[in-house]
Amino acid sequence: KNQVEQSPQSLIILEGKNCTLQCNYTVSPFSNLRWYKQDTGRGPVSLTIMTFSENTKSNGRYTATLDADTKQSSLHITASQLSDSASYICVVSGPSGGGADGLTFGKGTHLIIQP
Amino acid sequence: DGGITQSPKYLFRKEGQNVTLSCEQNLNHDAMYWYRQDPGQGLRLIYYSQIVNDFQKGDIAEGYSVSREKKESFPLTVTSAQKNPTAFYLCASSKTNTEAFFGQGTRLTVV
Repeated sequence: KNQVEQSPQSLIILEGKNCTLQCNYTVSPFSNLRWYKQDTGRGPVSLTIMTFSENTKSNGRYTATLDADTKQSSLHITASQLSDSASYICVVSGPSGGGADGLTFGKGTHLIIQP
Repeated sequence: DGGITQSPKYLFRKEGQNVTLSCEQNLNHDAMYWYRQDPGQGLRLIYYSQIVNDFQKGDIAEGYSVSREKKESFPLTVTSAQKNPTAFYLCASSKTNTEAFFGQGTRLTVV
């Protein structure tokens, strides 16, 4: 069964600190992996999208890595800000992805940044 | 300003009532999707459409209906057959196999 597992489920860190969120997946074959940020009560916003051949991609203070061999991805947030408080969702795309749209969604990591 | 717009932001439904959620996009995307999000759960696909006048059931289509009469619009009707409709509903659009752009969501509550 295609799955996307994210860890930790929730995380609390102090403002200015760094953190890393994990995403493990079993979707195969694989097309791309996406990280989204979702503020409470809002729609998800894309942070990065990576294909099989890419192993790192940055978007400002967000850096995503991908190891297609071990089927693992991470999202590293540098110098966290209060506005980083949100849920971060990992989504894997593949021809046989979990949903009828070929996408398998993780349940997200809920990140809280404390002042 | 290009984007995808959902309305209303909040919606209340009485028992036995049908309600329709609006989703409009001006991104010229062919594909549009409806997802349901419940607390602590990943997004689940309700319906999707790859082209005008065609749509496909997702993983949890029972109790929902859609139409795709125009490329820009993909409304979702939550019917009385949906026994547990209280949730956060997200509409998205995309070009083929590229990142999806999401609307801001509609929170539906049964009263």
